[in-house]
Amino acid sequence: AQKVTQAQTEISVVEKEDVTLDCVYETRDTTYYLFWYKQPPSGELVFLIRRNSFDEQNEISGRYSWNFQKSTSSFNFTITASQVVDSAVYFCAHRRGAQKLVFGQGTRLTINP
Amino acid sequence: KAGVTQTPRYLIKTRGQQVTLSCSPISGHRSVSWYQQTPGQGLQFLFEYFSETQRNKGNFPGRFSGRQFSNSRSEMNVSTLELGDSALYLCASSTGPGTGRSETQYFGPGTRLLVL
Repeated sequence: AQKVTQAQTEISVVEKEDVTLDCVYETRDTTYYLFWYKQPPSGELVFLIRRNSFDEQNEISGRYSWNFQKSTSSFNFTITASQVVDSAVYFCAHRRGAQKLVFGQGTRLTINP
Repeated sequence: KAGVTQTPRYLIKTRGQQVTLSCSPISGHRSVSWYQQTPGQGLQFLFEYFSETQRNKGNFPGRFSGRQFSNSRSEMNVSTLELGDSALYLCASSTGPGTGRSETQYFGPGTRLLVL
């Protein structure tokens, strides 16, 4: 069965610090998809990024970057120069084929001014 | 393009009652999924509909049901409400199976249900 683990329950940093959110997944599938979602206090889950299992190219998008390492089953997310508006709960999720999304427990990120 | 909309946004019910939640997907999306979010259990998958057919189902009792209409709008119903059904119910839409990148699910703002 799929499983997603976000070991960091809460992280608190001061604005402008870099912060990395960890995600480890378990799967027996060779083809799967990994996602990061952000949930601000309003409750809506905001899609950030999707990665396919066959695409290990890492990506940088503005202040966000992602590190996908199949060898360690990790899909970590880094925010550079964090801002107060980045405060939210971040979820890592796994999906095999056309099946459901399986979410981690989430990491609550607080950016203090 | 308008995002996923859910109505109502907030709901208070008492035990034993039933409730119906509505979700309108992004225009052109034909797949709708429902998730329940609670502090204790986190985000859990309820069911997914595509072309008016239930494609996947999570591990929830039969009190939880859903349906999808020909315009892709979806409703979920919870009968005989229990205190533990208090949660944020999130709806997500995607274009549907076999569409590759478009299988990414986009979520609505959710419906907060409080059962007293």
